[in-house]
Amino acid sequence: AQSVTQLDSQVPVFEEAPVELRCNYSSSVSVYLFWYVQYPNQGLQLLLKYLSGSTLVKGINGFEAEFNKSQTSFHLRKPSVHISDTAEYFCAVRIIQGAQKLVFGQGTRLTINP
Amino acid sequence: DAGVTQSPTHLIKTRGQHVTLRCSPISGHKSVSWYQQVLGQGPQFIFQYYEKEERGRGNFPDRFSARQFPNYSSELNVNALLLGDSALYLCASSLRGDTEAFFGQGTRLTVV
Repeated sequence: AQSVTQLDSQVPVFEEAPVELRCNYSSSVSVYLFWYVQYPNQGLQLLLKYLSGSTLVKGINGFEAEFNKSQTSFHLRKPSVHISDTAEYFCAVRIIQGAQKLVFGQGTRLTINP
Repeated sequence: DAGVTQSPTHLIKTRGQHVTLRCSPISGHKSVSWYQQVLGQGPQFIFQYYEKEERGRGNFPDRFSARQFPNYSSELNVNALLLGDSALYLCASSLRGDTEAFFGQGTRLTVV
């Protein structure tokens, strides 16, 4: 079975500051990795994904993430955040073979203060 | 292009009642998955359907069922509603079962 742990339930940062949202996963088989964002009262939007290749993945809205296989981590970063980045962020994994079952972490609420 | 559409957006039901939630995938997408998101938690996988066949089922009781129609739209049915079924129900579609999933806005179900 797979599991995802998001190490911070809430992260407050000031506008234009850098941010890192941490994600660790556990799986006995190879997985794909994803970060989704959820704005209030909305569904999930894909920020970025790691399928294979370069371990540094760039996504939308200036976000990037680095896959570290030895540490089973997939941390999300942004060098300078904006008020509009205030949202809930979810890390997720899916096994490469089989049903399209995403396993999500508990989420990290990112709050940007002016 | 229309994204994944879900209906209704909100509804309130009484304990013991039955509910049907609907999902229309993006045009051309043949796979639909359902997730339950309880307040303050990440989404939990309920079902995946591909080409009208169930391809995956999460750890949910038999009160939960789903089906996919020839036009690839899908319904999620929940019988004998419990207070704990109150959640945001998300539908996701993809071209095939193994490609990127696109999520709808969700249906907010409140059981009273």
